Amino acid sequence: AQSVTQPDIHITVSEGASLELRCNYSYGATPYLFWYVQSPGQGLQLLLKYFSGDTLVQGIKGFEAEFKRSQSSFNLRKPSVHWSDAAEYFCAVGAGRDDKIIFGKGTRLHILP
Amino acid sequence: DARVTQTPRHKVTEMGQEVTMRCQPILGHNTVFWYRQTMMQGLELLAYFRNRAPLDDSGMPKDRFSAEMPDATLATLKIQPSEPRDSAVYFCASGFGDDRDHGYTFGSGTRLTVV
Repeated sequence: AQSVTQPDIHITVSEGASLELRCNYSYGATPYLFWYVQSPGQGLQLLLKYFSGDTLVQGIKGFEAEFKRSQSSFNLRKPSVHWSDAAEYFCAVGAGRDDKIIFGKGTRLHILP
Repeated sequence: DARVTQTPRHKVTEMGQEVTMRCQPILGHNTVFWYRQTMMQGLELLAYFRNRAPLDDSGMPKDRFSAEMPDATLATLKIQPSEPRDSAVYFCASGFGDDRDHGYTFGSGTRLTVV
């Protein structure tokens, strides 16, 4: 069965600084990978997804993620964070296009002014 | 923008009472998920449906939880009897479940408090 690990529970960065959120997955074949963001009291919004092809994926709000098969990772990046990026970020994995999606525990991002 | 609609947004109930949460998936979506979110466990998959048929409900306590899709426009999650440990935010998500759009759309959730 697939699983997802987000090693960092909390991350704090200064506004304007770069960001990288880590995600490691466990799955035997090529997974379907996602990053979602959740603002307080809200549902989850899809930032980006990877199914195949180019391993660098561009998403909304200036985010990108890179799939690295050798490291079983799918880290989320943003070159310059804004105060509005403060939220909780979830990495998720699906075993196939018809399969369920399993979420990591999330990383809460704090932004310093 | 198309939305997944969940009702009610908030529910406070007493232990032992029946609770029914509803989800209206986006029109045309054939896959519906139910997740539960708590501080301790994060997002747990409870059940999911494809074309109204349950594919996996292994994450759901069978003795008290039940999930159904009476029609393509409505998914329900029922807890009977409810217990304080069921207090959580319950999310519904819908999507196509194939390469057209495998990024599922989430509703705003139902915050359940069982006292």
